Formats: sequence, C-alpha cells, structure tokens
Amino acid sequence: SQQGEEDPQALSIQEGENATMNCSYKTSINNLQWYRQNSGRGLVHLILIRSNEREKHSGRLRVTLDTSKKSSSLLITASRAADTASYFCATDAWVQGAQKLVFGQGTRLTINP
Amino acid sequence: KAGVTQTPRYLIKTRGQQVTLSCSPISGHRSVSWYQQTPGQGLQFLFEYFSETQRNKGNFPGRFSGRQFSNSRSEMNVSTLELGDSALYLCASSLGLAGGQAIYNEQFFGPGTRLTVL
Repeated sequence: SQQGEEDPQALSIQEGENATMNCSYKTSINNLQWYRQNSGRGLVHLILIRSNEREKHSGRLRVTLDTSKKSSSLLITASRAADTASYFCATDAWVQGAQKLVFGQGTRLTINP
Repeated sequence: KAGVTQTPRYLIKTRGQQVTLSCSPISGHRSVSWYQQTPGQGLQFLFEYFSETQRNKGNFPGRFSGRQFSNSRSEMNVSTLELGDSALYLCASSLGLAGGQAIYNEQFFGPGTRLTVL
C-alpha cells in the first residue's frame, strides 16, 4: 500500500471557503512536502515541513505535521477558482531499500465560483 | 532561470519498441529524479541521479533505465514497451546534496512527457 495516503480523494467547495486536506504516512521521514498539479501537467512545489517542525505558513497555506500520528494537513484559506487542482503530499523516506520522495494518491480540489 | 524542460512532450509508440526521454534540469541543479504517473498507480518513483550516479531506484523492471550526463541533463530509456507503460513521465530537479544520502528538498518538475503505447 502507499506510503502516503490522502483524504478526501475529492473535495468541492465554494470560492472563499477554506479547504483542508489530510495526509497519512507509514515510515519515519526527513520531511513532508505538498505539491499542486493542474490537469496532468508538472507538479508545483507549495511548501516543505521538516520532521522537527509542527506548523508552517506560506501565504494562504498552512501545513501541520504530527509525527506521532504520522499525519499532516494542508489548509488553504479563502479559496479561489485558481486553486482548483490536485494536491499531493510527498514524504522523503526510506521505503523498500531506497530513499525516495513518495507521493500520495492526491486530493482533487474543485473551487466553485 | 529557465525551468525544467522535457522532450518530447508527446510520444506514441507501439508494443515492443523502445523509447528515450530527455530532461534538462534547472541550471546548477545536480539531482534529477524521474517519476511515472498513471491514473491507477499515481506517482511512482523511478530513479534519482546525482553527479552522473544513480543513487536510488524504485521498484520498476530492468526495462526502465536512465543516465545522467556531466552537464546534469538526464535521459531515461524504456525498452520493449508494454501497453501498461502508457503514462505521464515527469522529471524533477533539485540542488541535491553531495554524499551517499539523498535528501529530497524542493523539487522542480518539468511539464512531463505523455507516452502512449499502442
């Protein structure tokens, strides 16, 4: 099964509302990152949180990390139509004998105008 | 700075053929990673190169191989293509860290190569 799993798989909200996505993982990590992908294009890095950090902010983004629960959440405040995309968490971890950046299956976020 | 470029952007091949994809990282970046993205399996790590050396490899068959040149440009090759190899292939570059251990900091992704195997 995936090192990183996200929920929900899909989220649809109204413009201006806040969106929260969650990520769980299985092994110890160096860091956890969030990426955005628009319609099958390349991924764009949003934010990185290290294993010794608990919370980080960047503009309208807030990420939390709970290493005891092996989970993270991404909060997007005051959502805009341009935030419509798929969001992935990625963990830098040793998995199956190799150090990898392992991605979750993603959350498909739709912002309705 | 120019971003990560990948060529070609789209490719159609038939089963049994082989294909080579190219990735040019951001200038100064020494680490290049490759990923396969499919609707069923999501984003899967293929391999990571740093200073012309493969440091890490994912769980893909030997038909998938890669290399990195002295200017950090990277290629990946897939031989004996199968229908299941149809996917978006993404490469990502980062500054990377010297030494045996790769620590994956912010990755800069290219737009991908869409491979269709018929």
